[in-house]
Amino acid sequence: NAGVTQTPKFQVLKTGQSMTLQCAQDMNHNSMYWYRQDPGMGLRLIYYSASEGTTDKGEVPNGYNVSRLNKREFSLRLESAAPSQTSVYFCASSQGLAGETDTQYFGPGTRLTVL
Amino acid sequence: AQSVTQLDSHVSVSEGTPVLLRCNYSSSYSPSLFWYVQHPNKGLQLLLKYTSAATLVKGINGFEAEFKKSETSFHLTKPSAHMSDAAEYFCVVSEGNTGFQKLVFGTGTRLLVSP
Repeated sequence: NAGVTQTPKFQVLKTGQSMTLQCAQDMNHNSMYWYRQDPGMGLRLIYYSASEGTTDKGEVPNGYNVSRLNKREFSLRLESAAPSQTSVYFCASSQGLAGETDTQYFGPGTRLTVL
Repeated sequence: AQSVTQLDSHVSVSEGTPVLLRCNYSSSYSPSLFWYVQHPNKGLQLLLKYTSAATLVKGINGFEAEFKKSETSFHLTKPSAHMSDAAEYFCVVSEGNTGFQKLVFGTGTRLLVSP
């Protein structure tokens, strides 16, 4: 099993450009998440998908959109990139089953720089 | 709302000496608590989790943590540091006990291990 995979690993954008970060998991998990990590701030939740067909805003959703394409894939889109979106982006997934204590598994991250 | 405070941004130890990384949490009910480790330029890996079973939780690589409700603490320890333990460590609290959960991250503690 590959676990959680993310593409690309690195990306440089100019202000105003758009891009989509891809995430896939092969653990048959129900829930998926997008986080951003900035120095000294830990990880902050951007969007999440509790189950296939649903998405919800997290703590810092402004400037982003997401698509839960199917149970395996959850993409994050920046429509018009801004320098404030320079960050490391992590995708995660978890079982998300009622009655069980959940554990989230993280991908290796995408390092994004917006000039 | 739940929150977590990591009391030290950096901890330096010598190889072979004990490690203590401190974490306090705030929760309105019985939380689930986690420690994750992040090696340089890597994703996050789960070290251990507390889910209201035993208060002393053993994790991977010789780490353990003790849940102390009276002190609202969940400190991470290891008896003898190894060079490979050098990394950033995140204390995390969940906003739900079962099923889908939102994680709230601390700001991280960078562990430095000298020979």
